[in-house]
Amino acid sequence: NAGVTQTPKFQVLKTGQSMTLQCAQDMNHNSMYWYRQDPGMGLRLIYYSASEGTTDKGEVPNGYNVSRLNKREFSLRLESAAPSQTSVYFCASSQGDGHHYGYTFGSGTRLTVV
Amino acid sequence: AQRVTQPEKLLSVFKGAPVELKCNYSYSGSPELFWYVQYSRQRLQLLLRHISRESIKGFTADLNKGETSFHLKKPFAQEEDSAMYYCALKPPGFGNEKLTFGTGTRLTIIP
Repeated sequence: NAGVTQTPKFQVLKTGQSMTLQCAQDMNHNSMYWYRQDPGMGLRLIYYSASEGTTDKGEVPNGYNVSRLNKREFSLRLESAAPSQTSVYFCASSQGDGHHYGYTFGSGTRLTVV
Repeated sequence: AQRVTQPEKLLSVFKGAPVELKCNYSYSGSPELFWYVQYSRQRLQLLLRHISRESIKGFTADLNKGETSFHLKKPFAQEEDSAMYYCALKPPGFGNEKLTFGTGTRLTIIP
């Protein structure tokens, strides 16, 4: 009954380092999303994948790349981390079959870039 | 462009008092509206969908298309209601499930 699993939970990076945030869901959902959560800014969509094999930019895609590896997994990559990318990152999934019952969220990754 | 506005960043209410968390939206059409909640050290989770017209944990929310609002209400606040609340909007119809979130309201219930 895992739902959406994100790894790691915490990470500290130096400016310019790269890393990949992993996300996997076991609910056979078609659609997956990456959001960042910043104080006073709410949740902002970085990238999403409406279905396996497709990805699209969201509101704040600059500095990020994504890969929809298969139906279960959707990873977010920071190629060259910047302090402005310090945030809490949430992965989410939804059925994506036209019947929207809401998102299932992961527990989040708290990333600090120094 | 669609937008969700939650005018209150912080809201403190005494236990037993009524609660109202405001949400206004801008969208040219008939969107679907949601409330999500994040309790301390827990994941974001769906609280309400306007389509369902349901009451969850004593909370209700009515979509007012004339005022483009979807305020969340509860008649008697409980301490366990302390949390971060986000209003969210989804364009209508199939094929687009991207949610636009508001900036959130942190609700604190004073014992």
